[in-house]
Amino acid sequence: QAVLTQPPAVSAAAGQRVTISCSGSTSNIGSNFVSWYQLLPGTAPKLLIYDNDKRPSGIPDRFSGSKFGTSATLGITGLQTGDEADYYCGTWDSGLSVVVFGGGTKLTVL
Amino acid sequence: EVQLVESGGGLVQPGGSLRLSCVVSGLTFRDNWMSWVRQAPGKGLEWVASINQDGSAKYFVESVEGRFTISRDNAKRSMFLQMNSLRAEDTALYYCATETQRWQQLGASDFFDYWGQGTLVTVSS
Repeated sequence: QAVLTQPPAVSAAAGQRVTISCSGSTSNIGSNFVSWYQLLPGTAPKLLIYDNDKRPSGIPDRFSGSKFGTSATLGITGLQTGDEADYYCGTWDSGLSVVVFGGGTKLTVL
Repeated sequence: EVQLVESGGGLVQPGGSLRLSCVVSGLTFRDNWMSWVRQAPGKGLEWVASINQDGSAKYFVESVEGRFTISRDNAKRSMFLQMNSLRAEDTALYYCATETQRWQQLGASDFFDYWGQGTLVTVSS
């Protein structure tokens, strides 16, 4: 059972916008910074967002992150078929003293 | 271009051992914390272990404490995970990753910047 809660799956049409939620508690998201990762089969996972809303160089601005209270959200605009992947949120948990992840969300682009 | 390449995975019987390796290029290896993160079949990501820049600090998830050891060779730009007393529940794709940790006034920032493609460990009789 993952510490952070994500919807198992989301879908949206190509060109549209989708959001993926990540819910936690005061000991993790509520008091620390959130990161987001994209996992495509057979490829190295990619850091999309760190520190809640910052994009590493090379990540297009179609990807955005936000945090409010004990929840975080990943937004993807202008959906492309290449965005079909599993997405994970992660953060430090001050109670457990480890990095924790969500259970992952599978994005389908219709 | 940053590249992390894992090796050493395979099929091993319960109670057996494996040694995973990760070779890094494209960044200053000795400046980075390094970590192992795994993904069991059909499951999510799980942090396994981390090692600091000079190898003097090492951390493990509770489930592998005492069975796994982590090490690095900065001269060879390499990190290792020695896995002993393997169990079926250790079956997973093991990724190596660089880790950034910043302890800020507004909270902890801890994330994995660069990842390898993973090496598969299967523990089964």
